[in-house]
Amino acid sequence: NAGVTQTPKFQVLKTGQSMTLQCAQDMNHNSMYWYRQDPGMGLRLIYYSASEGTTDKGEVPNGYNVSRLNKREFSLRLESAAPSQTSVYFCASSERPQNYGYTFGSGTRLTVV
Amino acid sequence: AQRVTQPEKLLSVFKGAPVELKCNYSYSGSPELFWYVQYSRQRLQLLLRHISRESIKGFTADLNKGETSFHLKKPFAQEEDSAMYYCALSGGYSGAGSYQLTFGKGTKLSVIP
Repeated sequence: NAGVTQTPKFQVLKTGQSMTLQCAQDMNHNSMYWYRQDPGMGLRLIYYSASEGTTDKGEVPNGYNVSRLNKREFSLRLESAAPSQTSVYFCASSERPQNYGYTFGSGTRLTVV
Repeated sequence: AQRVTQPEKLLSVFKGAPVELKCNYSYSGSPELFWYVQYSRQRLQLLLRHISRESIKGFTADLNKGETSFHLKKPFAQEEDSAMYYCALSGGYSGAGSYQLTFGKGTKLSVIP
């Protein structure tokens, strides 16, 4: 049982380049989330998808777009990467109505130069 | 609005000493509180949920609604407890029908041999 799988694990981009971070879960969870983790800032919500077919902005959505491709997959796209987007990105999923918290992926470490 | 405060960025204790990681929250309704642990360069893992009143790896946490706190405690610290700890709050369903977690900024626990 893989849980939440993120690809790639590491990426270096040049300013202005685009890329898509992939996330897939095999737990049949309804809701999925993208967070970024920065030193001293904790985890901040970028976007989330409450269920297949819906997406909503979180705390720090600027510079990002998302796609809930199906129930399993939720991707995060950087259209024009900036150095301020250097961070570790975590995908997570949760079920409802029971609230057992989130299951996290292993993260993508992104550096924008 | 919901907020989670972890006042200590870093906490160092000697092996065998008691540990208390502080977490205070601000939320007008009935919150659900969680503790997550992140070992070096790994994914976040759920450690405790307040609603389940369990003890995991010797850690316990009690929700104190009067003091709006959910401190994490362990009577005798072990070296393997060294990690980053995040307190998180869920205020229930969002308007879009998902549970959103608000995270504190984290406390790094260092257990000195």
